[in-house]
Parts: sequence; C-alpha cells; structure tokens
Amino acid sequence: QVQLVESGGGVVQPGRSLRLSCVASGSTFSNYAMHWVRQAPGKGLEWAAGISYDGSSRDYIDSVKGRFTISRDNSKSTLYLQMNSLRAEDTAVYYCARVGVGFGYYYYMDVWGKGTTVTVSS
Amino acid sequence: EIVLTQSPGTLSLSPGETATLSCRASQSVSTTYLAWYQQKPGQAPRLLIYGASSRATGIPDRFSGSGSGTDFTLTISRLEPEDFAVYYCQQYGSSPWTFGQGTKVEIK
Repeated sequence: QVQLVESGGGVVQPGRSLRLSCVASGSTFSNYAMHWVRQAPGKGLEWAAGISYDGSSRDYIDSVKGRFTISRDNSKSTLYLQMNSLRAEDTAVYYCARVGVGFGYYYYMDVWGKGTTVTVSS
Repeated sequence: EIVLTQSPGTLSLSPGETATLSCRASQSVSTTYLAWYQQKPGQAPRLLIYGASSRATGIPDRFSGSGSGTDFTLTISRLEPEDFAVYYCQQYGSSPWTFGQGTKVEIK
C-alpha cells in the first residue's frame, strides 16, 4: 500500500535551518501533488506548503513565505521542505500528505505520513 | 483566505448515540472541495469524507457528510468506541488550503 515516511526533524535554535524529507512508496510518486501540513503542540492542523506533481506550482502559507521552500525529486520519490530562519512558532509535528487524485492539485489529502517533530528552541 | 469555523468545540456523547458536527465557511465553498478528517492522539489525520459527501476508501457507512455553500455537516451514527477522536473539516478549492479548528468527540 501507499506509504509516506518523514524524517529530518529535531531540535534547532531560532534562526537556524532544517530540511525535512518525505519518502513515498507503493505508488507512482511523480503523478501526485504533495503537501506539508503542520500541527503545533496541542493545536489543530495547519497547511504549510504544497507542490504540484511536476513541481511547476508551489504555494505557501503567508507565515512561511520567503523562509520555507518545498521541492520534490520524482526520481527519488522524495518530497522536501527546506526551512530557514526558523522561529519558535514553527515548532510542530510536520506531516507530508499526498493529494488524492493523480495530476490534480486542488484535491483532498488521502495518504498521510506519521510526521516528524521540529522543535525550535534556544 | 477561506476561514472554517467548527462547532461545537467539544461534543460529549455515549457509544451508540449520533454525533452532529458543523463546519461553517467564511465564503462559499464548492461541495467538490470540502473534506473531513479524523485524528486520534499521537496519530496522523485520516481522510473520512471528500467532496462534502463521498466516503473515502474503507470508511464505514455510519460516517456521512452533507451540506453546501457555507454550511457543512459531518454525522456519525451509532458511535463506536473507536470514533472518539478529533474531527477537522478542510477546504481544498483555493490556496491557502485551510482547516477548521477541530471538534473533539469525547466519551460522556
């Protein structure tokens, strides 16, 4: 079955950088748009960034624009989130999620990884 | 940005009862672009409903979605012990994709 596995989380000081990865298996990764969704401790879900199946479209929530970059390597079935200038408010579990319709972008998220935890603290 | 407001914040019910969860949007959302997710503690969200009323693969028929425009509802009939969780609505028709703040369904 389709599986997404995130990695790269950890504890980092404010202002530093971190790169998250999400490796997909069990489906044709290059056919699907992907998203990063985050969840701060004890809070709800917040969409952070999305990328189309071919990387031609990328979107970000305002609070991460200019600091985070979403990208993908379809040859490696891997999604990335480069996070620069990290702030305390970026502390969260970061989930990668697959869009449920091939070659679509504005669709629901049907497969989710288990998440990776990012803690920004001095 | 489309803001989604869920109510109530918490719903206290007993197994076997029916849960009715509301999601109100700040502007009209096409039914094509409204989803519901379930999240249990320490777990990733799980897709329940997409297109406002279509059940995702493997979701029991006691879960049903309805609504249009700015008002959407998730109904859980005959609550089972495994249904006690937090539920989120989401719109995915425009960027930024947005979620409601969640409704917790707890055991009474």
